[in-house]
Order: sequence, then C-alpha cells, then structure tokens
Amino acid sequence: GAVVSQHPSRVICKSGTSVKIECRSLDFQATTMFWYRQFPKQSLMLMATSNEGSKATYEQGVEKDKFLINHASLTLSTLTVTSAHPEDSSFYICSAISPGSGNTIYFGEGSWLTVV
Amino acid sequence: RKEVEQDPGPFNVPEGATVAFNCTYSNSASQSFFWYRQDCRKEPKLLMSVYSSGNEDGRFTAQLNRASQYISLLIRDSKLSDSATYLCVVNSRGGDTGRRALTFGSGTRLQVQP
Repeated sequence: GAVVSQHPSRVICKSGTSVKIECRSLDFQATTMFWYRQFPKQSLMLMATSNEGSKATYEQGVEKDKFLINHASLTLSTLTVTSAHPEDSSFYICSAISPGSGNTIYFGEGSWLTVV
Repeated sequence: RKEVEQDPGPFNVPEGATVAFNCTYSNSASQSFFWYRQDCRKEPKLLMSVYSSGNEDGRFTAQLNRASQYISLLIRDSKLSDSATYLCVVNSRGGDTGRRALTFGSGTRLQVQP
C-alpha cells in the first residue's frame, strides 16, 4: 500500500539552530501534505497545509517564518524549524493523501525533535 | 468548545471485555469521520472510517449519529494488543481534496489488562 516516510525519526539540536524534517510519499504523488505537531499527552494539532508548487497555508498561531515549509516536488515536503527553542521540542508528523487509494490519508512515522 | 471532544480515559478493562468510546464534534457540516489508533510514541494509524449507516470490522463497530453530532467505537472481546490511544478524527474542512485536513480529538486511552 501507499507509504509516507519521514526523516529523521529523532533529532536533537541546540537552541538557536535550524532543523529540517523531510516527508516523502514513496509510491504515490501528493499535491498536498499536512504537517502536525503533537505535544506529550495532547492531540495532534495541524500546523500547516503544504501545497506543491505554491506557498503553504498556515494555521492560526503558527509562525510561518519559524516553520518553513517547502513542497518542491510531488513526493517531497520539508519542514524546517528555524532558530529552534526548547519549547519547540515535540513530535512532528506529516500526512499525505493517496488519490489512488480512495483518498486515504497516510501518516509518516513522525519525527521526535528535542531542542537542548 | 473544542471541535472534537473525547473522554481521555484511561479505560482499564479486563481481557475479553466490551468497551465503547464516544466522541462529539461541534461542526455540523463535518463530512468525514474516522477512528485512528495511536500507540505510544508512534504515528496514528487508521482503524476505520465511520459511515452514516454504521460499519463493522471484526471486533470493531463504528457508528455515527449526525443529529446528536457524535460518533462511537465499540470494541468487543478486548485483547491485550488493543491497548492504545484511540483518536476520533473529523474532516470539517469540506470535500475539496486540497483542504482535507483532519481535526483530531485528544484521544481516549485504553488499557486492556490480563
């Protein structure tokens, strides 16, 4: 079946640095991908909708200059957390829609970010 | 009021028990409903979609009540492996594929005990 892959699965970075997380659709083309964030014991919160070839759509309260999203191809979206702070430590997860599977939504494995 | 609300639990049940979860949603225009399962520190995985007529998949039964704006998940003959967090998920953004973002409930934790 369709697979969405995220990389890295875990990353530790220093405060003030930037971290890039990749989300790939492995066997289908995804014009739209979604980025979520999940803090411990909380629900997944949509951060932004990533649109291939155009600007991402950010949810209210999400800083677009801090969370840079690039969807340069039909199989890859990247989320860059810039100038990371400890409060950015979280589980970041992407999802993509597979049109060939009845518009089923598939999630990546998620990326654990720890900012120290 | 949250868009999607769930009882966080935990629900502690013995093996073989039947357990039911409810979830309420606030947007009456919501079109699609799902139950996802999330294991600790893992990504959510689709358990089942929820259809207006109700649907069953093995030990799992999902139902939708549009009038009262809630969906339910029933698990029969609980197994130890059913222990997880069950997420109620609603698409409130309309049918346009490009806007099919999902709204997640905070999840209900189930712990099945031997």
